[in-house]
Formats: sequence, C-alpha cells, structure tokens
Amino acid sequence: NAGVMQNPRHLVRRRGQEARLRCSPMKGHSHVYWYRQLPEEGLKFMVYLQKENIIDESGMPKERFSAEFPKEGPSILRIQQVVRGDSAAYFCASSPGSSDTIYFGEGSWLTVV
Amino acid sequence: DQQVKQNSPSLSVQEGRISILNCDYTNSMFDYFLWYKKYPAEGPTFLISISSIKDKNEDGRFTVFLNKSAKHLSLHIVPSQPGDSAVYFCAASGGGTSYGKLTFGQGTILTVHP
Repeated sequence: NAGVMQNPRHLVRRRGQEARLRCSPMKGHSHVYWYRQLPEEGLKFMVYLQKENIIDESGMPKERFSAEFPKEGPSILRIQQVVRGDSAAYFCASSPGSSDTIYFGEGSWLTVV
Repeated sequence: DQQVKQNSPSLSVQEGRISILNCDYTNSMFDYFLWYKKYPAEGPTFLISISSIKDKNEDGRFTVFLNKSAKHLSLHIVPSQPGDSAVYFCAASGGGTSYGKLTFGQGTILTVHP
C-alpha cells in the first residue's frame, strides 16, 4: 500500500490522558499536513511540516497540541491532557513538494471519554 | 469567517443525470481550487483541481468550472452513478502559502439514486 498511512485508526482516551497519532507519508513525499474534522464541520488545517521542520502551525491550538516530523520515522501529532472537545477525526496528508496536490490518509478517530 | 462556502448541504440526483455541486469563496488571494470526495470513516480522496489561470478543467466524468469574477466554482459529474454518492468538499489555497494549506467548505452530501 503506497498511500498515506495513519495509526491508530481509532483511539479512546480518558480526559487528562495523552493521545499520539502517527502518520507515514506516501513514498517520495517529504511534506506532511495535519487536519482536524470536528463533528458536523469541514476539515480545518492544523500544521504543515517538512522533515525536522515545522513550516506553518497557524492552525494549531496554542496549548496541549504539538507536532513533529523527525528525520527518521513517522510524523506524530501529540495532544496532551485531552478534553472532550478534542474528540474528532484527525487526517494526515502528504505531498512531494509545496506546490503539489496533497493526498490524505484514512484518518484517526479520537474519542475522549 | 467562512472563506469557502458550500451552501447546499445535500443534493439528490437520478442515476445517469448531471450532478452540479457549487462552491463560493471570499478570499481573492486564493488561486488554486480542488474538489475532494469523502466516504464515511475514510479520508478525503482527491478528484480534480483547477488553478486560477484557467476557467475549466476536465477529467473523465468530472469537470470543474471557475468563475473568478463571481468567486464561484462548480463541479459537474456526468453521468452520475450510484457509486458517486458521498460527501463532496470544495477546498482552496493560495496567497503565497503552500498548496497543501487548504481551506475547506462544509461539504455537500450527494446521493445518486438508481
């Protein structure tokens, strides 16, 4: 499967716990994007990363959320001290370059109980 | 401020007929527009795109039209098939940012009846 791979597909966390979502981009893609879809809403941009660099994090909540894309391994979206409002679908996308169409993964559904 | 709007939450069409999905935008800096299709519990799938230097782009049964003066774009699907039933999202980017930094509309649920 040469597509964007996300895991876990479903994650349940209690309030106050940490959630880690992983994304492996398509082969040959070095640009990664994270989006969030809250219930009954469209997708909202969160962050744009290249290997070892955060390029644009203008859509990230100021607290508790962080993202990284290390030199080796997948991109990680980390949510600390989760609250019920963090329950959403989180989608990762990748592209070969900044001027290319992005392709999405299947998503990770986070439920905070 | 909703910069990309899809004013029709849903659309119902008979198989074989044309489906027309509409999208309006307010940010004049947008210069690249895309349509994605999404099934429940799956990620969005890229359908077709258009840059602001064009007013039409065609790919098989899918055609996207762009009217820059009206800040309006539309997706035509001809002929519509039951497998096209999904949520369709319009998205836009531009203004010097990465083409991957997209602003999405709220989506339109398309149902194609056999």
